[in-house]
Amino acid sequence: DIQMTQSPASLSASLGETVTIECLASEDIYDILAWYQQKPGKSPQLLIYDASSLHTGVPSRFSGSGSGTQYSLKINSLQPEDFASYYCQNGLSAPRTFGAGTKLELK
Amino acid sequence: QIQLVQSGPELKKPGESLKISCKASGYTFTDYAMQWVKQAPGKGLQYMGWINTQTGKPTYADDFKERFVFSLETSASTAYLQINNLKNEDTATYFCARSLRMDAWGQGASVTVSS
Repeated sequence: DIQMTQSPASLSASLGETVTIECLASEDIYDILAWYQQKPGKSPQLLIYDASSLHTGVPSRFSGSGSGTQYSLKINSLQPEDFASYYCQNGLSAPRTFGAGTKLELK
Repeated sequence: QIQLVQSGPELKKPGESLKISCKASGYTFTDYAMQWVKQAPGKGLQYMGWINTQTGKPTYADDFKERFVFSLETSASTAYLQINNLKNEDTATYFCARSLRMDAWGQGASVTVSS
């Protein structure tokens, strides 16, 4: 099974800052990677698919990049609604494992 | 609009069974796979597997091959997750999500297993 190592586990940032979350796959996943945002008590929401494609309705301050085994999610100019948990996911092959998550908190 | 509406919270005893529903609307049910995800209290997302909504064939992640069953009622645009012989560690919220891309999610179904 493909393992997804996500870092950092937690992140503290201020409004207006730019942050980056990393995800490392145990083998090449050929850009078939998704990022999800989850707010407390809510279901996850798709942000990015195929490593860099923005899902419909997602603000352009979110961007994804990477290839092979290394991927990242960048959030520019943090807004109050961005403080949440974020997960990467291997979309290439079953089981479509998730990273352990990154909790983004307001400093 | 696309909606996945899941059944309500469940409180069960160890050894019992339950069946969670996920009713889809706003799209053609059989055009997209349905996936299932577990989230234990305070923990991350755990991928359970998926079901092909055209053929009904389920695929389970290793941790979910024993007591878990995915099924469909296509005429009602509804997917089901059945958990048999419930254990305390099944206490979690279970999400259904549309397609391999998981572009729409249910609101989650809370399951508590306690004696």
